[in-house]
Amino acid sequence: DAGVIQSPRHEVTEMGQEVTLRCKPISGHNSLFWYRQTMMRGLELLIYFNNNVPIDDSGMPEDRFSAKMPNASFSTLKIQPSEPRDSAVYFCASSLKRGGNEQFFGPGTRLTVL
Amino acid sequence: AQTVTQSQPEMSVQEAETVTLSCTYDTSESDYYLFWYKQPPSRQMILVIRQEAYKQQNATENRFSVNFQKAAKSFSLKISDSQLGDAAMYFCAYRTSRAGNMLTFGGGTRLMVKP
Repeated sequence: DAGVIQSPRHEVTEMGQEVTLRCKPISGHNSLFWYRQTMMRGLELLIYFNNNVPIDDSGMPEDRFSAKMPNASFSTLKIQPSEPRDSAVYFCASSLKRGGNEQFFGPGTRLTVL
Repeated sequence: AQTVTQSQPEMSVQEAETVTLSCTYDTSESDYYLFWYKQPPSRQMILVIRQEAYKQQNATENRFSVNFQKAAKSFSLKISDSQLGDAAMYFCAYRTSRAGNMLTFGGGTRLMVKP
């Protein structure tokens, strides 16, 4: 298996533009997580899905952020409009739903908003 | 809500020596899982070791072992025979065993290994 795939690996955009980050989880995994990593706040969970259904989106910073999982093999995280404070590394992770199972992380997308 | 605290922002160790990274957590649950993840400069998050709270025996993975003190809510990571490739950020993480299986991370410890 190729592991969790994220695209793009790097994104540079200007303030006000729409940004879409993409994730393909490991085949067979039924939980998917979006995390954000910054120097100031560390690793934060933004949202997670079980069986394509959003379970907890309390970590989504504000209405500018939205996430979808239209099927078991694809998820997007969209920021519209983007702001400089959104600059961070965004990780997608997937796992089997059962409690102790390891979360496998993608390589992350480094987002820079100018 | 659960919180995870790593009190050492940075640690350094001489190659071949042993180092211990600290982690404490706060929870009202009795059943949960604890993890240590490694993040090298490549940014990739790599699972190092996992501990189930219901197990009294400390987990071990080759040169990596944990000291799990449930009553004290402490979960330290010991790295023996440190290697240059161990240099990375290390994150302690908590995961509930109930429905809802997201990770709560500590702030991380940067480990430097001196040759």
